[in-house]
Amino acid sequence: DSGVTQTPKHLITATGQRVTLRCSPRSGDLSVYWYQQSLDQGLQFLIHYYNGEERAKGNILERFSAQQFPDLHSELNLSSLELGDSALYFCASSALRPEAFFGQGTRLTVV
Amino acid sequence: TQLLEQSPQFLSIQEGENLTVYCNSSSVFSSLQWYRQEPGEGPVLLVTVVTGGEVKKLKRLTFQFGDARKDSSLHITAAQTGDTGLYLCAGHRNSGNTPLVFGKGTRLSVIA
Repeated sequence: DSGVTQTPKHLITATGQRVTLRCSPRSGDLSVYWYQQSLDQGLQFLIHYYNGEERAKGNILERFSAQQFPDLHSELNLSSLELGDSALYFCASSALRPEAFFGQGTRLTVV
Repeated sequence: TQLLEQSPQFLSIQEGENLTVYCNSSSVFSSLQWYRQEPGEGPVLLVTVVTGGEVKKLKRLTFQFGDARKDSSLHITAAQTGDTGLYLCAGHRNSGNTPLVFGKGTRLSVIA
């Protein structure tokens, strides 16, 4: 158990809909990262938050947004969903050390 | 362009064989990590290397960080079926809280 909790574990939704993925980092970790993993693209970095502030953006679509709350949990919002958004979405948390610890992921299926 | 290139992409070997997988970049990294991921699960950290030329051993796994901190290798001795999985290298190009970028991974299958 990494100590990072992601909910829900599975999500099935229709095209055009909006969903929210939730992540609770390990106790004390201020950094939260979001990644998207699809079969052909590997783990793609989406966005990084540190203590409530956005620190870096990767290949995140404009239809996607995220935030980190004062209690350090984070949410990734995906809107106007397309079939191609189907993927595993991972959250990872980190302290000041270089390693990141991953949650179990949310498998999103858009139908 | 992938910042971290991993090779081979796929590897299938017999139990008891040795293997090496590689992680290469044209960029210098302040540290590199190796993760192992099983289907439907999140990546699990195996090791972090931070010093050029560093070698770390974890039971049958040996990790090496290149002298120039641009590449790393993972060597498994006497592979077991339990070693099957996706091996990912990842790294920070700068120190501090910068994004961790990943290679596409090496998918290892160890056959009994």
